[in-house]
Amino acid sequence: DAGVTQSPTHLIKTRGQQVTLRCSPKSGHDTVSWYQQALGQGPQFIFQYYEEEERQRGNFPDRFSGHQFPNYSSELNVNALLLGDSALYLCASSRPYMTYNEQFFGPGTRLTVL
Amino acid sequence: GESVGLHLPTLSVQEGDNSIINCAYSNSASDYFIWYKQESGKGPQFIIDIRSNMDKRQGQRVTVLLNKTVKHLSLQIAATQPGDSAVYFCAEIGSGGYQKVTFGTGTKLQVIP
Repeated sequence: DAGVTQSPTHLIKTRGQQVTLRCSPKSGHDTVSWYQQALGQGPQFIFQYYEEEERQRGNFPDRFSGHQFPNYSSELNVNALLLGDSALYLCASSRPYMTYNEQFFGPGTRLTVL
Repeated sequence: GESVGLHLPTLSVQEGDNSIINCAYSNSASDYFIWYKQESGKGPQFIIDIRSNMDKRQGQRVTVLLNKTVKHLSLQIAATQPGDSAVYFCAEIGSGGYQKVTFGTGTKLQVIP
């Protein structure tokens, strides 16, 4: 079992550009959550996808959007990039409606906006 | 890999000693708490969890204490090892479900050999 995988590992973009990050969940998991982690801070919840729909969203602007595919993999899209979007973007997968919460995190994609 | 702990409070502990990492949480309605370990270049890794109806839970070399009166969590690591060096985050999950995890400010643990 490969666990949660994310691509690419690192990415450099310039202000105003658009970016797409990808995540494949752990085998058996069908729920995917995305987090943004700025340097020196804890991860901040962006949104969660289940059954190809956004189920819950954190305090992020509409420039952040996502998608989940029938195979449960997911994409995070960020439009009109700002310098402040530079961060580590983490994907976490889990099974829904568990009696306790255990999310498995991927290694993240390091996005640098110049 | 790049560090995620450049601006975080740091706890330095001698190898073999016990470590205590503290965390204050904000939402008195939170139902569930988790401690995560994040090593450089990796995503957070689940260590131990505790429900709000408990005040203590023990795992292998780790113990979590929950004080709901003052909204405080602590993680105790026994016989700290070099492999314990990482950034540690507490996280809370509200009673609304859907597994939204709210992370607190992390603490960087440095183990001195």
